[in-house]
Amino acid sequence: KAGVTQTPRYLIKTRGQQVTLSCSPISGHRSVSWYQQTPGQGLQFLFEYFSETQRNKGNFPGRFSGRQFSNSRSEMNVSTLELGDSALYLCASSLEPDTEAFFGQGTRLTVV
Amino acid sequence: GQQVMQIPQYQHVQEGEDFTTYCNSSTTLSNIQWYKQRPGGHPVFLIQLVKSGEVKKQKRLTFQFGEAKKNSSLHITATQTTDVGTYFCAGCNQGGKLIFGQGTELSVKP
Repeated sequence: KAGVTQTPRYLIKTRGQQVTLSCSPISGHRSVSWYQQTPGQGLQFLFEYFSETQRNKGNFPGRFSGRQFSNSRSEMNVSTLELGDSALYLCASSLEPDTEAFFGQGTRLTVV
Repeated sequence: GQQVMQIPQYQHVQEGEDFTTYCNSSTTLSNIQWYKQRPGGHPVFLIQLVKSGEVKKQKRLTFQFGEAKKNSSLHITATQTTDVGTYFCAGCNQGGKLIFGQGTELSVKP
């Protein structure tokens, strides 16, 4: 069974640009959550999607958005990138909300 | 908003010593999950506790969920170098949002 796949693995962007990250959950998993991980802030919850609906949202500015498709694949978008957005972005999938989460390898975003 | 505090932030032990990390939530949790992240890796699920006062064991690891369902602990007996990594608790609130603690980074000196 394939695990959670995140693409791309590494990304370098310039301030002001926008970026789209992709997450393919484990087959059969309908819940996808996104987290931002930085050395100083730990794992910060961005949002959670279940059956194409945003179920929960963290305390991030509107520049951060996401969506989930009918096949449960999810994307997150960050517009007008800032230097502080440099982080490891992790996606996690679950069969259903509140159950064991399986994390992908993450996308390491560097904003220069 | 809900907060999940985890202490200590760092723990350095000699191989063979015990290790404990503690997790406290500002609100009652529906369940708590524990994850381990090895250096350079991604968080890997260890266990989920749901019931008040629940205690679960996995070999040398013992997990506890407090009676009030607001705190939890992970205890490792006789640490080994393979235990190195960051241990995260993640509390699930009544609304279903999973909030991670800051993590405890464990280093083990052989």
